[in-house]
Amino acid sequence: DAGITQSPRHKVTETGTPVTLRCHQTENHRYMYWYRQDPGHGLRLIHYSYGVKDTDKGEVSDGYSVSRSKTEDFLLTLESATSSQTSVYFCAISESKAGGNTGELFFGEGSRLTVL
Amino acid sequence: KNQVEQSPQSLIILEGKNCTLQCNYTVSPFSNLRWYKQDTGRGPVSLTIMTFSENTKSNGRYTATLDADTKQSSLHITASQLSDSASYICVVSLPLGGSYIPTFGRGTSLIVHP
Repeated sequence: DAGITQSPRHKVTETGTPVTLRCHQTENHRYMYWYRQDPGHGLRLIHYSYGVKDTDKGEVSDGYSVSRSKTEDFLLTLESATSSQTSVYFCAISESKAGGNTGELFFGEGSRLTVL
Repeated sequence: KNQVEQSPQSLIILEGKNCTLQCNYTVSPFSNLRWYKQDTGRGPVSLTIMTFSENTKSNGRYTATLDADTKQSSLHITASQLSDSASYICVVSLPLGGSYIPTFGRGTSLIVHP
């Protein structure tokens, strides 16, 4: 299994509170991603990172911010959680070199967030 | 409209039977197409990968096919086992700069009954 650790694995919080999810990898992969998975929607990209301090938005980035100060850590922050952000959040990593690796995503075990 | 459509949404079969899952996509051109398996409560894991020039790829009891002309892929599972119960996700990747941007289908939920 790829060395990806997500924390916390489960969290219940109240509307309006800040929440930070952490993704830690031991594979030294360049690319890291945050997805959310909801019934009927599948996996949707929130933000991704292509290097330390290099990040970009995905299709559902509103209400989320990310930071990557070290290769191994990618943080997802909800500044003020809302009930619509109740979801399962997955971190993924890949090498994704153009002309090289085929871009396989390796996923963490997921973090289940409930916003009351 | 989702760029990657999967069918059926859910499927129930008996252990030992074969089944075929479908994936239709509009993303084009693409770098590769993968099928992932996601067990309940776990993250997805890659089963197969095909480039646009490949027609078929096998991984044990799993065989994926690709028809780039009709933009369809299928995943055939032979002699199903209880452990095959999972969600199967089709993912088409676009090359973008030095990265690959994956586009996910919504998945097919497969239940294998004894």
